[in-house]
Amino acid sequence: GIQVEQSPPDLILQEGANSTLRCNFSDSVNNLQWFHQNPWGQLINLFYIPSGTKQNGRLSATTVATERYSLLYISSSQTTDSGVYFCAATVAGTASKLTFGTGTRLQVTL
Amino acid sequence: GAVVSQHPSRVICKSGTSVKIECRSLDFQATTMFWYRQFPKQSLMLMATSNEGSKATYEQGVEKDKFLINHASLTLSTLTVTSAHPEDSSFYICSARDAQIGVYTDTQYFGPGTRLTVL
Repeated sequence: GIQVEQSPPDLILQEGANSTLRCNFSDSVNNLQWFHQNPWGQLINLFYIPSGTKQNGRLSATTVATERYSLLYISSSQTTDSGVYFCAATVAGTASKLTFGTGTRLQVTL
Repeated sequence: GAVVSQHPSRVICKSGTSVKIECRSLDFQATTMFWYRQFPKQSLMLMATSNEGSKATYEQGVEKDKFLINHASLTLSTLTVTSAHPEDSSFYICSARDAQIGVYTDTQYFGPGTRLTVL
């Protein structure tokens, strides 16, 4: 099956800093989503982005499907951005089954 | 929109008992729901795909007789952990695929999770 790797595994930022999280996948995908898992475990949809670029406030994401990677940009980070960020991908013909990446644990400090 | 609920949010049970977890799509219909399991500091692992009106499809290595899944309506799927043991303690998360928009975006929406502790 598809392998989804994320980097870095851990990241500590000071409030106000910018960061880039990377997601590499081993196969062509027809669905790529980014999630934020808050400290209580809730997964929050950030982006559905199988290709192209999207922006939502301080967050933006870019997926280059032909090169099999996606990037999540966080600008002007806030302490509420802390948590774990997952990307997840679906390969065509797998009945919409999402394979989650390894995650990036982000801690934003004052 | 696109809200998924789970009940209970937290459950503690004795070894050998069965526990039922409910997953509901509150404002949309979901022909397909998914059940995941997450151990501490690890990623989510898909356990099974639940399709309304048909049998669930289990991932390799998941015991179908231990993790019973029922998807009786377009808004409700249940996961029953039978004869639970301490190694079944985990965070169980469901997701639902919107039957209407799924054709175009294939987006999954996730419930808040259920933390199961088996003593």
